[in-house]
Amino acid sequence: AQKVTQAQTEISVVEKEDVTLDCVYETRDTTYYLFWYKQPPSGELVFLIRRNSFDEQNEISGRYSWNFQKSTSSFNFTITASQVVDSAVYFCALSGNTGNQFYFGTGTSLTVIP
Amino acid sequence: EAGVAQSPRYKIIEKRQSVAFWCNPISGHATLYWYQQILGQGPKLLIQFQNNGVVDDSQLPKDRFSAERLKGVDSTLKIQPAKLEDSAVYLCASSSGTAAYEQYFGPGTRLTVT
Repeated sequence: AQKVTQAQTEISVVEKEDVTLDCVYETRDTTYYLFWYKQPPSGELVFLIRRNSFDEQNEISGRYSWNFQKSTSSFNFTITASQVVDSAVYFCALSGNTGNQFYFGTGTSLTVIP
Repeated sequence: EAGVAQSPRYKIIEKRQSVAFWCNPISGHATLYWYQQILGQGPKLLIQFQNNGVVDDSQLPKDRFSAERLKGVDSTLKIQPAKLEDSAVYLCASSSGTAAYEQYFGPGTRLTVT
């Protein structure tokens, strides 16, 4: 069975603090893909990153960084020096090797306080 | 490049009525998805089309929900008859490949069933 768990329901941080959003996944597939999406208050989901199961290299994009660890089945997302515009709901998602199923976690609501 | 278009943006109906949502994906995207997002939850995949064929509809409540994608371009999702628990945002997304590829989401249709 495929499953994505985001244990943090809501997080509040003060602007300029760093924050890490956790994502733990379950899959029996050997090939799979992990994603992060951002859903700002406007509601439209925005793609942030995709990772395949064979690439455990961490990635950094500006203030965003992702840590993928197969050993712990985790794909965590860190925002450095958070800004008010980062306030949104962030979803982690998983796609299996058939590419025919897509599973979202329940999301983490991040509020950045100015 | 135009994004994923959806209409209407909002719809209020009474239970047992019918409703239809329309989606026009990004030009050239072969894969189209319909999701249901209940307030406070992650999106749940209802149906996935590859061109005009259904790839997966395992989570579509087929006794009341139907979807079609004629000519492999735009798509319609219908609910008939609606129940109170169908109140949700219905999201359409498209991608250039399978669910292993990044998806681009439309603004969604917020349905309220009273």
